[in-house]
Amino acid sequence: GAVVSQHPSRVICKSGTSVKIECRSLDFQATTMFWYRQFPKQSLMLMATSNEGSKATYEQGVEKDKFLINHASLTLSTLTVTSAHPEDSSFYICSAHGPTESSYNEQFFGPGTRLTVL
Amino acid sequence: AQSVTQLGSHVSVSEGALVLLRCNYSSSVPPYLFWYVQYPNQGLQLLLKYTSAATLVKGINGFEAEFKKSETSFHLTKPSAHMSDAAEYFCAVSDGQAGTALIFGKGTTLSVSS
Repeated sequence: GAVVSQHPSRVICKSGTSVKIECRSLDFQATTMFWYRQFPKQSLMLMATSNEGSKATYEQGVEKDKFLINHASLTLSTLTVTSAHPEDSSFYICSAHGPTESSYNEQFFGPGTRLTVL
Repeated sequence: AQSVTQLGSHVSVSEGALVLLRCNYSSSVPPYLFWYVQYPNQGLQLLLKYTSAATLVKGINGFEAEFKKSETSFHLTKPSAHMSDAAEYFCAVSDGQAGTALIFGKGTTLSVSS
C-alpha cells in the first residue's frame, strides 16, 4: 500500500528558531499533499494544500509567511515553521493523495510530527 | 460546502459490547465518506471508505459502516468491542475531486472497559 513518512517524529526547539518537517511519499508520486495541524483532543485542521511545482494554497487564518511550504518534487513536501513560538506547539500531520485514479480521493497519512516550542 | 458532524465526543463500552459511532454529513454533491482511527501520538489509519458502490461497507478490524442517504448518515459499528479498539475515531467527507482535502469531524474517543 501507499506509505507516507514524516521526519522528524518529534522535535523540541527554542522560541524564535525555525523548524523544518519533511513529508515523503515512499512508494508513489504525489502531486498533491496536505498539511494538517491537530491540537490535543481535537480534530485535524487543514492548514494548506501543497502542489508540486507551484505555490501552496493556504486555508483562511493560516499565516503563509510563518508556515512555509515547499513541494519541490513528486515525493517530498516540507513545512517550515519560522520563528516558532510556544503557541505553535502542536501535532502536525501530512497526507498525500493515493497513487491511482481509483483511490477515490483517499488520502494516506504520515505518522505525524510532535513539535514542542520552549 | 461539505461538513461532518460526529455525535458524541466520547463513547464508552464494555469489552464484547456493540460499538456504535455516529456520523452525519452534509454535502451538495454525492459524497465520498471515510472513517479513520488514530492511536495516541500516531497518524491516521483508514478503517473503511464509501465510494458510491455498496452502501454497507466492511473495513478492517471487524468494523463496518452503512451509508444512508435518506438520513445523511454513515455510522460506524462493530459487533463486539475489544480493548485494542480504544482510540480516537474520525469521520471524513470528500467530494471525490482530485486535489481536494478531506473534511473531518471533531472525532469520537472510544473507551473500552473490561
